[in-house]
Amino acid sequence: TQLLEQSPQFLSIQEGENLTVYCNSSSVFSSLQWYRQEPGEGPVLLVTVVTGGEVKKLKRLTFQFGDARKDSSLHITAAQPGDTGLYLCAGGPGGSYIPTFGRGTSLIVHP
Amino acid sequence: NAGVTQTPKFQVLKTGQSMTLQCAQDMNHEYMSWYRQDPGMGLRLIHYSVGAGITDQGEVPNGYNVSRSTTEDFPLRLLSAAPSQTSVYFCASRPDRGGDEQYFGPGTRLTVT
Repeated sequence: TQLLEQSPQFLSIQEGENLTVYCNSSSVFSSLQWYRQEPGEGPVLLVTVVTGGEVKKLKRLTFQFGDARKDSSLHITAAQPGDTGLYLCAGGPGGSYIPTFGRGTSLIVHP
Repeated sequence: NAGVTQTPKFQVLKTGQSMTLQCAQDMNHEYMSWYRQDPGMGLRLIHYSVGAGITDQGEVPNGYNVSRSTTEDFPLRLLSAAPSQTSVYFCASRPDRGGDEQYFGPGTRLTVT
């Protein structure tokens, strides 16, 4: 089983602050996904990164895949209360293998 | 498209009872999987299927059975419910080509007393 370590586990910030959450592993992934989950709902895909060093932007969210494809980060600029949720990363070696999930970072953005 | 649907949304069982959690998808995805989510534990894979007639165990399969008779449906059966199976259960699907992106259902919150 490939293990994904996410940090921090919890984050509580004020609206307008910037933040970065991390997803690390000792294994190489063919791709890595970031999901956001709101209370009472299932995870929703935000982005997939595939190439080492890749950077993707989704409005105020910036996702980066490490050069060695073993880690990833999610940076949120000027956080808003609507960003509140559980952020999960997932990855796998590809093919028929089902991706492994990290334990998530729970983010609360206070107005 | 409805995507991935799950029923019921909530369920309370007594220890020893059995039940089936239903999952269906209308995206013609080959891969389907069941996860349970517990506080601080993230999503843990119970069983998965790479196509009709093919299933395999995940990280925490004990106490659960699955079958995949059609592409659309992937039910999860609890044989004899235990309090340790109190959790939120998510079904997910993904196509067999492309990336590893999964599409999740809304979840079933199960309490075993």
